[in-house]
Amino acid sequence: GAGVSQSPSNKVTEKGKDVELRCDPISGHTALYWYRQSLGQGLEFLIYFQGNSAPDKSGLPSDRFSAERTGGSVSTLTIQRTQQEDSAVYLCANRDNTGELFFGEGSRLTVL
Amino acid sequence: AQSVTQLGSHVSVSEGALVLLRCNYSSSVPPYLFWYVQYPNQGLQLLLKYTSAATLVKGINGFEAEFKKSETSFHLTKPSAHMSDAAEYFCAVTFYSSASKIIFGSGTRLSIRP
Repeated sequence: GAGVSQSPSNKVTEKGKDVELRCDPISGHTALYWYRQSLGQGLEFLIYFQGNSAPDKSGLPSDRFSAERTGGSVSTLTIQRTQQEDSAVYLCANRDNTGELFFGEGSRLTVL
Repeated sequence: AQSVTQLGSHVSVSEGALVLLRCNYSSSVPPYLFWYVQYPNQGLQLLLKYTSAATLVKGINGFEAEFKKSETSFHLTKPSAHMSDAAEYFCAVTFYSSASKIIFGSGTRLSIRP
């Protein structure tokens, strides 16, 4: 597709369940980022993938969070044993070679 | 380490008045700087960017920003606010020595009074 695609757009889950959020990036853009945007908060950096290099995981808030990127394309963010404080909009973005980020519409996660 | 500080979580101006949104950065190497805008119920989009060329950068919708190294600032301005400018604005910093993360500020919500 022409832009970054994320799914699901909305996810409601019960506390303690695992969730997977998917990001389909722009073809040819090798750098992929995940951010979290909580209500009234800024964008919190989670993780960054660049080509075949080891990802920068420095923003992941706990070991319940993990992400992978298969074949340098699709990325999946997994949250295990979800907690209510995980409720947020999770944004995926691609970066071009000028540093500009192209964002998806986000996945809104609600943990009950 | 890189960081970005946006002064003022909420700014309110009258329609037609000057808009000034403040951003200060910290970076140990020359930065690339960005402003993104998020309109209500929409995704983020790039407003403008500084990538070591001209220090005064013009963006979409009449916005501009000036990179001031001595002040470590990249403030966003618009001479005359319009109702349609009401949105959340985010400043971001990165650098290009190698693969790098992009750090965002906490955002400033701009409201426009009729």
